[in-house]
Amino acid sequence: AQKITQTQPGMFVQEKEAVTLDCTYDTSDQSYGLFWYKQPSSGEMIFLIYQGSYDEQNATEGRYSLNFQKARKSANLVISASQLGDSAMYFCAMRPDSNYQLIWGAGTKLIIKP
Amino acid sequence: ETGVTQTPRHLVMGMTNKKSLKCEQHLGHNAMYWYKQSAKKPLELMFVYSLEERVENNSVPSRFSPECPNSSHLFLHLHTLQPEDSALYLCASSQDLIAVKETQYFGPGTRLLVL
Repeated sequence: AQKITQTQPGMFVQEKEAVTLDCTYDTSDQSYGLFWYKQPSSGEMIFLIYQGSYDEQNATEGRYSLNFQKARKSANLVISASQLGDSAMYFCAMRPDSNYQLIWGAGTKLIIKP
Repeated sequence: ETGVTQTPRHLVMGMTNKKSLKCEQHLGHNAMYWYKQSAKKPLELMFVYSLEERVENNSVPSRFSPECPNSSHLFLHLHTLQPEDSALYLCASSQDLIAVKETQYFGPGTRLLVL
């Protein structure tokens, strides 16, 4: 079965601290892509970062990095130096090679405290 | 970033009304998607279009009718909806469907309330 699991329904983090959002995935495909999206309360789904299954290095985009551990099938999002504007829902998604549909996790609600 | 726009942003309609949601992408993409996001549920893919051809209809009730007149525009026509159809409807686009690295870019969504 192809599945994304995000085990943290909600997280509180102090401003300026780093935060790690967990994501594990399940697929039998050898080729797949992993995505993280941010959804503020306004509703728009904002693309943050992408990691390919064959990429040897962890993806980074500004304050966002993806801790990709292929053997453990995990793709955790790390946000460095968190800001109040980082408060939002965060979704992990997977695109397996055998299916053009994105498979979505249930999301983690992140709240940054001042 | 105004790559994908959606109108209206908010919509309240009765169960007997007919309305349409509009999505436009300015990214030169070939694939477009409609998603439904209900409270406390994962994102649900409703329809997928590639080069104006529908490639996916995920068992969506016929009261939702998509239309893709060209690769930049996508509509969702609504008629005789039910209260449980109240949700956030998101439109997305991607360059193509084929590669695993195809990133979907989303619009701001339409919040629909069916009374």
